[in-house]
Amino acid sequence: ETGVTQTPRHLVMGMTNKKSLKCEQHLGHNAMYWYKQSAKKPLELMFVYSLEERVENNSVPSRFSPECPNSSHLFLHLHTLQPEDSALYLCASSQEGRGPNEQFFGPGTRLTVL
Amino acid sequence: AQSVTQPDIHITVSEGASLELRCNYSYGATPYLFWYVQSPGQGLQLLLKYFSGDTLVQGIKGFEAEFKRSQSSFNLRKPSVHWSDAAEYFCAVGASGTYKYIFGTGTRLKVLA
Repeated sequence: ETGVTQTPRHLVMGMTNKKSLKCEQHLGHNAMYWYKQSAKKPLELMFVYSLEERVENNSVPSRFSPECPNSSHLFLHLHTLQPEDSALYLCASSQEGRGPNEQFFGPGTRLTVL
Repeated sequence: AQSVTQPDIHITVSEGASLELRCNYSYGATPYLFWYVQSPGQGLQLLLKYFSGDTLVQGIKGFEAEFKRSQSSFNLRKPSVHWSDAAEYFCAVGASGTYKYIFGTGTRLKVLA
């Protein structure tokens, strides 16, 4: 595997389900990100982890719970979601240093909440 | 307030024609600027970036962009578009000391054969 991988690619869940999205980066980076991409809206940064510590949490509802067990893996745990949470969820990674370096994105998980 | 504006939601060009996608930003600090492309069902791929130096930057797939500080713009150009360039293009701005990029809403490019 190379780059940033995400599983599953598609997920359909009911509002009472619990599921998790997985992201793995094979680039040796030290920062990982979750974004939400909804139609006709800019990408929304949800969470940032740097050196496995959460450094950004942009007022995301508690029904989204991130986990970063190591620098290569990032999870997004989902529970009691709402239909408006249906979106493409993108994971990204970067090597953070003195300034923002390019973020490398995974292919995303298309989430549908029924 | 910090913002990125991509004024064109959709652009249609004929294959072989030239292309310019507009990006304007409002950012208090010295900006780091990026252009990403997203093909259907895919994540975002970096086309090019500007941090400092020469204001005309070259990217992958034959794209280039020019940073114009006086106009707060970072427009993306390609002299001859290929059908495979049909995708959505996102401009983004960041700054030193922050993890947060601000993305524009994107411009969807359609290429006519």
